[in-house]
Amino acid sequence: NAGVTQTPKFRILKIGQSMTLQCAQDMNHNYMYWYRQDPGMGLKLIYYSVGAGITDKGEVPNGYNVSRSTTEDFPLRLELAAPSQTSVYFCASSYQTGMTSGAYNEQFFGPGTRLTVL
Amino acid sequence: QKEVEQDPGPLSVPEGAIVSLNCTYSNSAFQYFMWYRQYSRKGPELLMYTYSSGNKEDGRFTAQVDKSSKYISLFIRDSQPSDSATYLCAMRVRAGNMLTFGGGTRLMVKP
Repeated sequence: NAGVTQTPKFRILKIGQSMTLQCAQDMNHNYMYWYRQDPGMGLKLIYYSVGAGITDKGEVPNGYNVSRSTTEDFPLRLELAAPSQTSVYFCASSYQTGMTSGAYNEQFFGPGTRLTVL
Repeated sequence: QKEVEQDPGPLSVPEGAIVSLNCTYSNSAFQYFMWYRQYSRKGPELLMYTYSSGNKEDGRFTAQVDKSSKYISLFIRDSQPSDSATYLCAMRVRAGNMLTFGGGTRLMVKP
């Protein structure tokens, strides 16, 4: 298994450009997540999905969009890139049987995409 | 005030030392407490998690949770240069989807 894969590894954008960060997982996980990591700030959740066709906002969703048409893929779209979106973006996935179960199911992270907006 | 506070370090120790990493938090609803290790330019990987209060041991690693003080710790015994990484604490309420992360502590173990 490749686990969680992300492309590209690095990208430099100009202000106002758009791009899509790709994320795929081959573990048949139902939950997928997008985080951003800024220096010294930990990871903040941007969007997450509990299954194909279902997405929801996280803590910092402004300036981003997501879609989930298949179990495997969860792309993150940046429209009108701004310098404040310079960050390292991580995709993660987990398998969860239900919100009320209370069990913790490990989130597996991809290697990240380093994005710079100039 | 951040919901989860973590000293950013860097923390530099000699090989073989006992390392103590800590987080404090403000949300009393947190029930799951995780420690992730992140090597430079890599994604985080789960080291350990505990549910509610108490201790959990796994090899050289011990996680402790003190809910009355809203304080969690990760101890690393016989630290190795390969333990050099950033350690992130993360927390979650009992039935929820969102993890709340601390800012991470950078650890350097010198040979």
